[in-house]
Amino acid sequence: DTEVTQTPKHLVMGMTNKKSLKCEQHMGHRAMYWYKQKAKKPPELMFVYSYEKLSINESVPSRFSPECPNSSLLNLHLHALQPEDSALYLCASSLRGRNEQFFGPGTRLTVL
Amino acid sequence: GEDVEQSLFLSVREGDSSVINCTYTDSSSTYLYWYKQEPGAGLQLLTYIFSNMDMKQDQRLTVLLNKKDKHLSLRIADTQTGDSAIYFCAWGDSSYKLIFGSGTRLLVRP
Repeated sequence: DTEVTQTPKHLVMGMTNKKSLKCEQHMGHRAMYWYKQKAKKPPELMFVYSYEKLSINESVPSRFSPECPNSSLLNLHLHALQPEDSALYLCASSLRGRNEQFFGPGTRLTVL
Repeated sequence: GEDVEQSLFLSVREGDSSVINCTYTDSSSTYLYWYKQEPGAGLQLLTYIFSNMDMKQDQRLTVLLNKKDKHLSLRIADTQTGDSAIYFCAWGDSSYKLIFGSGTRLLVRP
């Protein structure tokens, strides 16, 4: 298995909702990432997990809460989001110590 | 600070070669990457080059690296309509972070 999967593909939520994005890989990668991408912009790094531990948090607001239950899974819990949080959320993974990251297809999030 | 420049847009005719350029400021990276993003999709790793190399060829793709000028380019030979996408150059620092260029939108005309 050489891919990163993400669910759901699309998500529409209100500002008072709680939802979660899921990411999974079975390549044995021990680093996993969340990115946010606005239209016509490059991805912006949000979080990095290395060996299931949070190693980088790029000053992301607390309404985004990451979780890494095991080496294959990465979640992003969403609560009280704002309309400006609408974006494509990308998950990626890499072998520890290597920078080439493999991306999932993304979750298109719309906050009403 | 880190900064990467890419031209915003490139239009070529099907069958021609495309050259996408990237100029960066950080010279400490070991690997430099090219990613492709089709509309509504994630990023696909196309190829990468080790920083001690000048050139790498991979089928229709040729990557050139000029470390002196901090210039990276991606040449696509025999460009096809399926190559229409946004192309990002990127490099990694020592902390797992990938630094992305601003992206070049390639349009291939039939």
